[in-house]
Amino acid sequence: GQSLEQPSEVTAVEGAIVQINCTYQTSGFYGLSWYQQHDGGAPTFLSYNALDGLEETGRFSSFLSRSDSYGYLLLQELQMKDSASYFCAVRVNSGNTPLVFGKGTRLSVIA
Amino acid sequence: DVKVTQSSRYLVKRTGEKVFLECVQDMDHENMFWYRQDPGLGLRLIYFSYDVKMKEKGDIPEGYSVSREKKERFSLILESASTNQTSMYLCASILAGGGNTIYFGEGSWLTVV
Repeated sequence: GQSLEQPSEVTAVEGAIVQINCTYQTSGFYGLSWYQQHDGGAPTFLSYNALDGLEETGRFSSFLSRSDSYGYLLLQELQMKDSASYFCAVRVNSGNTPLVFGKGTRLSVIA
Repeated sequence: DVKVTQSSRYLVKRTGEKVFLECVQDMDHENMFWYRQDPGLGLRLIYFSYDVKMKEKGDIPEGYSVSREKKERFSLILESASTNQTSMYLCASILAGGGNTIYFGEGSWLTVV
């Protein structure tokens, strides 16, 4: 079976840094991606890691350790608009197999 | 700007009705998907399609069928809607070979009464 584990909820203060973890157990591994979804909206792509290490895109960074089957999304200088759900997803091969999604982490940013 | 468009954002249907959810993408993507999203359960794959007239079952296909007559259009069909199919339905597409970015529509909120 395929499983991705991420915390269901995280709360953080505006201006702070928050890390959302994702551990995975899948039949294969080709890359880990992150998606953001605001209430009532569509999930949108944030980042993708195929190799170990940190990828930075503005205030957001994503990390991958293939040996630990683990990754995280790091959000810096939190803003109220970052309140959303965040999903990790694994691409299990280079072919057409659908992405496997985690159940999502609800991030609440408070003043 | 790339776009996945779901024709209906909000629908209310009666138990037993046949329901069509339409999805169109303008990115010439080969692969299209239908997901269902429920609180605490994340995104669950219903059906997907690699090409025109091709379909594959996902994790929860029971009670659903799909149609892909044209590359840009992927329809989800509830043959006889039931109350446990009340949910948010998301259509998505991605390049052949997987790609790294899946594009989602805005979602269709279906209530079955």
